[in-house]
Amino acid sequence: GQNIDQPTEMTATEGAIVQINCTYQTSGFNGLFWYQQHAGEAPTFLSYNVLDGLEEKGRFSSFLSRSKGYSYLLLKELQMKDSASYLCVSMDSNYQLIWGAGTKLIIKP
Amino acid sequence: IAGITQAPTSQILAAGRRMTLRCTQDMRHNAMYWYRQDLGLGLRLIHYSNTAGTTGKGEVPDGYSVSRANTDDFPLTLASAVPSQTSVYFCASSDRVGSTDTQYFGPGTRLTVL
Repeated sequence: GQNIDQPTEMTATEGAIVQINCTYQTSGFNGLFWYQQHAGEAPTFLSYNVLDGLEEKGRFSSFLSRSKGYSYLLLKELQMKDSASYLCVSMDSNYQLIWGAGTKLIIKP
Repeated sequence: IAGITQAPTSQILAAGRRMTLRCTQDMRHNAMYWYRQDLGLGLRLIHYSNTAGTTGKGEVPDGYSVSRANTDDFPLTLASAVPSQTSVYFCASSDRVGSTDTQYFGPGTRLTVL
C-alpha cells in the first residue's frame, strides 16, 4: 500500500536546528513535497524533490533518498514563527498525492 | 481577489441538511481539488477537476458532489449532511492535474454537522 510516516510532534529551541524525518511507500514515484501549515490556516508549499540529494532554500533544506524511501526537512536558525505543522507528501506514478498526517513543530524560547 | 477564496469560513449544520461550500480562484488554473482534513490524518482528496466541464472522484467521494461550470469556480455540495462529514475542507488549485505543479490552497471551511 501507499503510506507516509512522520513523527507526530517535535519540540525545538529558538535559534537551533531541527530535522523532520519522513519515510514513504509509494506505487511508482514522482517526487516528494513538503508543505507548511500554521494552526487554523491553509498548507503552503515549501519544497519539491524528485532527485536524490539536498536542496537548500534559505533557512530550509530538503533531502531525498529514493532508494531508502526517505526524506527530511531541515530548518536552521529556528524562529518562533516556524511553529507549525510540516506535511510530507509523496506523489505516485499517477501523479496522485499521498499526504502524511503532519509533524507539529513546537518552538520554545 | 488574489489566489483562492472559500466561503463560508465556518458553518454549523444540522444532519440531513444540504450544504454547498464555495471555492473561487483567480489564477486561471486548470486543475482544482477538494480535500478534507481530519485530526491525525493526512489530507484526503474528495473530488478534483482537470479543466472546466470535467470532474473526477478522489479517495473519499461518497456523500459529496462537485461541478465545474467555468475555470474559476468549483463548488462542493453535501446533499444530506451526516456527522462524519464534520471536518475542515480545503479547496486547492494547480496549473495542471497529472503533473508535479504546486497546489495552492484556500483558507478552508470548518464544517460541523450535528
